[in-house]
Amino acid sequence: DVKVTQSSRYLVKRTGEKVFLECVQDMDHENMFWYRQDPGLGLRLIYFSYDVKMKEKGDIPEGYSVSREKKERFSLILESASTNQTSMYLCASSSGTGETGELFFGEGSRLTVL
Amino acid sequence: GQNIDQPTEMTATEGAIVQINCTYQTSGFNGLFWYQQHAGEAPTFLSYNVLDGLEEKGRFSSFLSRSKGYSYLLLKELQMKDSASYLCAAKDSNYQLIWGAGTKLIIKP
Repeated sequence: DVKVTQSSRYLVKRTGEKVFLECVQDMDHENMFWYRQDPGLGLRLIYFSYDVKMKEKGDIPEGYSVSREKKERFSLILESASTNQTSMYLCASSSGTGETGELFFGEGSRLTVL
Repeated sequence: GQNIDQPTEMTATEGAIVQINCTYQTSGFNGLFWYQQHAGEAPTFLSYNVLDGLEEKGRFSSFLSRSKGYSYLLLKELQMKDSASYLCAAKDSNYQLIWGAGTKLIIKP
């Protein structure tokens, strides 16, 4: 069964703390993505990666960074968390050769910044 | 700008049929996706359309009209487990996905 696993379902952090969100996929997918999901808004792309060591900014990269040292792992880093980064964070992966490029999502990490 | 519009919420009765509409405006077009997301869970892929017409997959069908920038998801024989949010997303000329805010579907017995 294909799977995208996010390390933490729920996190509570304080303003200014450094936050790491980990994502691992077991499908040997080339492409990995980090989105945030907020009520009333569509999914917004933070960063994506098409290959190991490679990263591209999405629509809202400010305040975030990413790391992809291994093909199966894509990490999202909040260097100094702020209250406006309270959100649901979704990791996804897709095959570079797939016909549709459908995304496989993790269960999400709900982050609260106090 | 790029934009996806879909209704915020819809209500339907168990056993009935419901149609969820989605209109899109994108810079170029490389296909339209529908995903289902149950509360507190990950979105899961339902359908992909890139050519005009209707794609049927069991109780779910998806339609696309590229000239009108319009798609719909049709759910037949509604079941309580179909209560979920349905996300529409269009792929633009750069193969980036533009997402709608989702339609929350409530099924009543």
